[in-house]
Amino acid sequence: EAEVAQSPRYKITEKSQAVAFWCDPISGHATLYWYRQILGQGPELLVQFQDESVVDDSQLPKDRFSAERLKGVDSTLKIQPAELGDSAMYLCASSRIQGYEQYFGPGTRLTVT
Amino acid sequence: KQEVTQIPAALSVPEGENLVLNCSFTDSAIYNLQWFRQDPGKGLTSLLLIQSSQREQTSGRLNASLDKSSGRSTLYIAASQPGDSATYLCAVGGNNRLAFGKGNQVVVIP
Repeated sequence: EAEVAQSPRYKITEKSQAVAFWCDPISGHATLYWYRQILGQGPELLVQFQDESVVDDSQLPKDRFSAERLKGVDSTLKIQPAELGDSAMYLCASSRIQGYEQYFGPGTRLTVT
Repeated sequence: KQEVTQIPAALSVPEGENLVLNCSFTDSAIYNLQWFRQDPGKGLTSLLLIQSSQREQTSGRLNASLDKSSGRSTLYIAASQPGDSATYLCAVGGNNRLAFGKGNQVVVIP
């Protein structure tokens, strides 16, 4: 069964350092999502791509976060510089098209010290 | 802005009992509603997807209902097992995004 892949699974970084996460969606899925989940909360959307284009990045802190999906397949989310409040689970999801069932990857647990 | 509420936040049930998890949402103009399971430190596993035109969906021991007019969905898990212990998240689809509740943390006691 096809799955969404993410790496790394865990990341520990110091405050003010740069960090990057990678996501490979299910093959053929045009829509890709990045979410942030703080412990005890539900995931919140950071950015949504349709193919290589950003559809929604209204909740992305653009002063420090950036995301790209250059060839419309895999995607990278970057934080620079990392802050203590960025400690969270970063989840990637994909769907065949917008509005359809979303499938999630295993997530990257980020700890900023 | 869509607000999604899941009550209770946490519950424990003895093995074999049926589980009933509730989800309410404020804006009835939804596209679909999805129930997920999340184990500690893991990603989300999709359990059931209900389209806005549907009233319920079933998969094995799981059944989810949707009442758009009252802004509610219920997830039923029949004959609970210790392996059902997890957090269950309700997500409401609309405006091309999912709005999540905080989840129901479930413990099934052997």
